[in-house]
Amino acid sequence: EAGVTQFPSHSVIEKGQTVTLRCDPISGHDNLYWYRRVMGKEIKFLLHFVKESKQDESGMPNNRFLAERTGGTYSTLKVQPAELEDSGVYFCASSLGFSGANVLTFGAGSRLTVL
Amino acid sequence: SQKIEQNSEALNIQEGKTATLTCNYTNYSPAYLQWYRQDPGRGPVFLLLIRENEKEKRKERLKVTFDTTLKQSLFHITASQPADSATYLCALVAMDSSYKLIFGSGTRLLVRP
Repeated sequence: EAGVTQFPSHSVIEKGQTVTLRCDPISGHDNLYWYRRVMGKEIKFLLHFVKESKQDESGMPNNRFLAERTGGTYSTLKVQPAELEDSGVYFCASSLGFSGANVLTFGAGSRLTVL
Repeated sequence: SQKIEQNSEALNIQEGKTATLTCNYTNYSPAYLQWYRQDPGRGPVFLLLIRENEKEKRKERLKVTFDTTLKQSLFHITASQPADSATYLCALVAMDSSYKLIFGSGTRLLVRP
């Protein structure tokens, strides 16, 4: 079974530019999560999709971040315009179930460097 | 707000010994707590989940305890091996609309041969 795939693995852009990160969850997983880790901090929740619907986007930092999951399969996270503080590693995770006993499978992450 | 504390200093132990990592939390009463392993350049990998009504959970050489009175979880690796060297993350499950994970900053474990 293929795991969670994220692309690109590393992106270097200048402040003010746009970047789009992509996540392909495990096939059949309705639940897709985005998390990120900025330098020196813990991994933090960004948002959660159930199929194509946003279940919870309380962790999105501001309106420069836009996440989509058209068709309920892969998801994209766009940052526009990027700022220096957006640098970090963005993780995608997926799960079959949706409960307190949920177990997430994470991708390897997309490292974003904003110069 | 919820706060999770893990020892930020690396834990350095000799192969064959038992590694014990600590996770303390405040301002929360989680029903579930999870432990993940993270290697450099990789995403977190799920290891164990423990429920609030479970005192202890085991899986092969791994053992997790959950003390809701002390607000603490301990993670043990017995007969440690150099391959166990990694960062170990504690995560509480938020009982909200998303069951999001609230992570600690992780503790790095180094097992010397």
